[in-house]
Amino acid sequence: EAQVTQNPRYLITVTGKKLTVTCSQNMNHEYMSWYRQDPGLGLRQIYYSMNVEVTDKGDVPEGYKVSRKEKRNFPLILESPSPNQTSLYFCASSRIRGQYYNEQFFGPGTRLTVL
Amino acid sequence: AQKVTQAQTEISVVEKEDVTLDCVYETRDTTYYLFWYKQPPSGELVFLIRRNSFDEQNEISGRYSWNFQKSTSSFNFTITASQVVDSAVYFCALSPNYGGATNKLIFGTGTLLAVQP
Repeated sequence: EAQVTQNPRYLITVTGKKLTVTCSQNMNHEYMSWYRQDPGLGLRQIYYSMNVEVTDKGDVPEGYKVSRKEKRNFPLILESPSPNQTSLYFCASSRIRGQYYNEQFFGPGTRLTVL
Repeated sequence: AQKVTQAQTEISVVEKEDVTLDCVYETRDTTYYLFWYKQPPSGELVFLIRRNSFDEQNEISGRYSWNFQKSTSSFNFTITASQVVDSAVYFCALSPNYGGATNKLIFGTGTLLAVQP
């Protein structure tokens, strides 16, 4: 089954304790992206990657890191989480075909609480 | 500026009522895509529809219909005879320049629809 998986789905942690949220897709997609969803703000892009070893900042990258060492994986790293990073996080992936938009497939979401 | 506005934060209706969710977008691009997503209480994002900027035909899918009007930069979503299962947050989204070089997707702030039995 074609899918985007995220782990963990739920996480409660404390300020300053480094964490990684994993994202994996089995569709051989070139493009992967991370979004965060906050009440009243909708979804905002954190980072995206157009292919292996190619990553770039989205609209709200502060406090986050990503890496793209393999095509299928795109982990989101919070080196020193703070309470304002409490949010619902979504990973997405899609193909890249020239200049045309390609449907983004979303993972199930990771609900993170930073105390 | 590229922006999506969903002015209705919350809507509450009684089952079987019709309800329209508003979406207004801003972009200077002449080519773009518009989307609607549903987020049920379980939290996942469910893709509902994608509309090309050159296709202004309204679309109907069962109880769902979409009205795309470029003249008013709106892409409204109507649910006919609402049901409790329609209760969710609904997001409108824009992909300017057909995604452009970054495959960007810009979301509105969402409308929480509560359908009461």
